[in-house]
Amino acid sequence: DIQMTQSPPSLSASVGDRVTITCRASQSISGKLNWYQQKPGKAPNLLIFLASTLQNGVPSRFSGSGSGTDFTLTISTLQPEDFGTYYCQQSYIPPLTFGGGTKVDIK
Amino acid sequence: QVQLQESGPGLVRPSETLSLTCTVSGDSMNNYYWTWIRQPPGKGLEWIGYVYHSGSTSYNPSLKSRVTISLDTSKNQFSLKLSSVTAADTAVYYCVRDQEGAYGMDVWGQGTTVSVSS
Repeated sequence: DIQMTQSPPSLSASVGDRVTITCRASQSISGKLNWYQQKPGKAPNLLIFLASTLQNGVPSRFSGSGSGTDFTLTISTLQPEDFGTYYCQQSYIPPLTFGGGTKVDIK
Repeated sequence: QVQLQESGPGLVRPSETLSLTCTVSGDSMNNYYWTWIRQPPGKGLEWIGYVYHSGSTSYNPSLKSRVTISLDTSKNQFSLKLSSVTAADTAVYYCVRDQEGAYGMDVWGQGTTVSVSS
């Protein structure tokens, strides 16, 4: 199985801050990396697919980058509604696997 | 707008079989991977497996001996069966639409909580 490792596990930031979350795969996944946001008690929501393509309706302050084994999710200007837990997920080969999550709190 | 809705018992006895159904509305079931994901309380997301619109399946090896995912396109439904459950199978179960081309899991059901307890 491909292991996905996210860092940090949690962070606290202020409105307006730039936030970066990293995700590392245990082997190359050819850019097949997705990012999701999950709010408490809700299903996850797809933010970015294929490492850098923004899903329809997702604000442009979210962006993704990376290749090979290392990927990044960036929130350019943190907004109050961006709290929640963020997960990366590889769609390169089954079993599809998720990172452990990064919990984002607003200071 | 496509919507997914899980249904099934919220409580299952240990050693019995967990059965859930997902009803798809607003779109056909063609050209997607119909997927089950679960999330134990306070933990992360675990991929259980999928059934493709053709009927082919793929399962997580950690659950493979106990899992069956099937498709009924005439009813616009797909189903999950997980046998010999234990307390470790207690989780929120989500049915999910996963897109071809690795475009991500774009539609999720609201999730249903299944507890395993006697």
